[in-house]
Amino acid sequence: DQQVKQNSPSLSVQEGRISILNCDYTNSMFDYFLWYKKYPAEGPTFLISISSIKDKNEDGRFTVFLNKSAKHLSLHIVPSQPGDSAVYFCAAREGNQFYFGTGTSLTVIP
Amino acid sequence: DAGVIQSPRHEVTEMGQEVTLRCKPISGHNSLFWYRQTMMRGLELLIYFNNNVPIDDSGMPEDRFSAKMPNASFSTLKIQPSEPRDSAVYFCASSFRAGMETQYFGPGTRLLVL
Repeated sequence: DQQVKQNSPSLSVQEGRISILNCDYTNSMFDYFLWYKKYPAEGPTFLISISSIKDKNEDGRFTVFLNKSAKHLSLHIVPSQPGDSAVYFCAAREGNQFYFGTGTSLTVIP
Repeated sequence: DAGVIQSPRHEVTEMGQEVTLRCKPISGHNSLFWYRQTMMRGLELLIYFNNNVPIDDSGMPEDRFSAKMPNASFSTLKIQPSEPRDSAVYFCASSFRAGMETQYFGPGTRLLVL
């Protein structure tokens, strides 16, 4: 069963607006959460992460929010740029293992 | 560093054939992971190695799948015999040690079994 879920397979956003990608998880033992970005024909690349002891981490245009009580993670991109168009994977860590979601394909429309 | 290297990038084969996917991790990384990406399940961990030793292969779907890491710079994932449902993109990733926050992924091997 999927422990990490991304229920929106795709998202379209106008350039300059905010993109919000969501992720839900079921395992309360996860202690670290990450977002990876994947372009076609390439492997995923690390984007941003957050420890379970925090509720927000910001890196430039990217901010990750963690709501532990709701077991919910979100990635905010603002302002969105056409180069942000990619598939975004949410991942969570338990011990030495990472569990990934199914990905959300973001399209930023110029 | 060239990053994680995988070969081949694309593989088309017929059902029943043996398929071997190859991976060269980043030099100095001690952990290596094999993932499979499908639309339905996203990225699934198949197996990971620590210092060339398989640690957890619970994600390997069946006995048809096997993985080896004979040395620190090379790993293979073999499917024998292959089936159409094995069609997916297979990624290799490495990290300095297992559990590190960042894994570095290769470009993947797109496998199509006819």
